[in-house]
Amino acid sequence: DAGVTQSPTHLIKTRGQQVTLRCSPKSGHDTVSWYQQALGQGPQFIFQYYEEEERQRGNFPDRFSGHQFPNYSSELNVNALLLGDSALYLCASSLSGIYSIQYFGAGTRLSVL
Amino acid sequence: AQTVTQSQPEMSVQEAETVTLSCTYDTSESDYYLFWYKQPPSRQMILVIRQEAYKQQNATENRFSVNFQKAAKSFSLKISDSQLGDAAMYFCAYRSAYLTSGNTGKLIFGQGTTLQVKP
Repeated sequence: DAGVTQSPTHLIKTRGQQVTLRCSPKSGHDTVSWYQQALGQGPQFIFQYYEEEERQRGNFPDRFSGHQFPNYSSELNVNALLLGDSALYLCASSLSGIYSIQYFGAGTRLSVL
Repeated sequence: AQTVTQSQPEMSVQEAETVTLSCTYDTSESDYYLFWYKQPPSRQMILVIRQEAYKQQNATENRFSVNFQKAAKSFSLKISDSQLGDAAMYFCAYRSAYLTSGNTGKLIFGQGTTLQVKP
C-alpha cells in the first residue's frame, strides 16, 4: 500500500517565478492538507482540500493556491515567488472527519534564489 | 487561537536510557487531540502517539508514552530504552475536536525538539 507521495523532491526557482508541487494521497484517503515548514521550524497549515474544494485556509496570501483532482491527488501552486517562500512543503492525506489521522509525505524542498 | 510551545530546542540521551520531551499548549476548547510526530532526516513526518483530551488515561505505544496533564495544559513524551533510530526532530501538535466550517482538522505544531541519541 503506497503512502503519501510528493513530487518533485527538490526544486530550485528564482524570485518572481511560479511553481507547482504535486501530492498523491494514501490509498483510500479523500482529504489533502498542505503545510509549509521553514528550516528549523514546525509546519504551518496552508490549506486543505476535500471533494475538489478548498475547505479551510491558513494565514497565507493568495499567491498560494491549490487544486484537488477527482482521483483525490492535489497540487499546490505558488506565484510570484519570494525568497521567504524557501521551505519544505509537506502534504498530508486523511479521511474526511475530525477523527482521522493525517499521514505525511516526505515533502518537496523548494529553494528560491 | 490555539498555540503549541516546545521549550527544548535540543535534547540528548544515552542509548538505552530514558528521555522526556516537553510540550505545553494553550486553548479554550475542552475537547481536542494531541499528537507527537517524529521527523527523521528523511523528512517524512511519522505519527508516534496520539491522545484524546477526554481520556484521562495516558496513551502508550511500546517504548513511547505520554504524560497528559489537562489542567496544566501539558503533554510530555517519554521515550524509554532509547535507540539510535529514535534520533530525529519531534513535534508536538494540537487539533481541535470540533468540526466546523472554520475548522476541518488542521494540525497546529510546536517548534520542535531535536533529539540526539548517543551510542
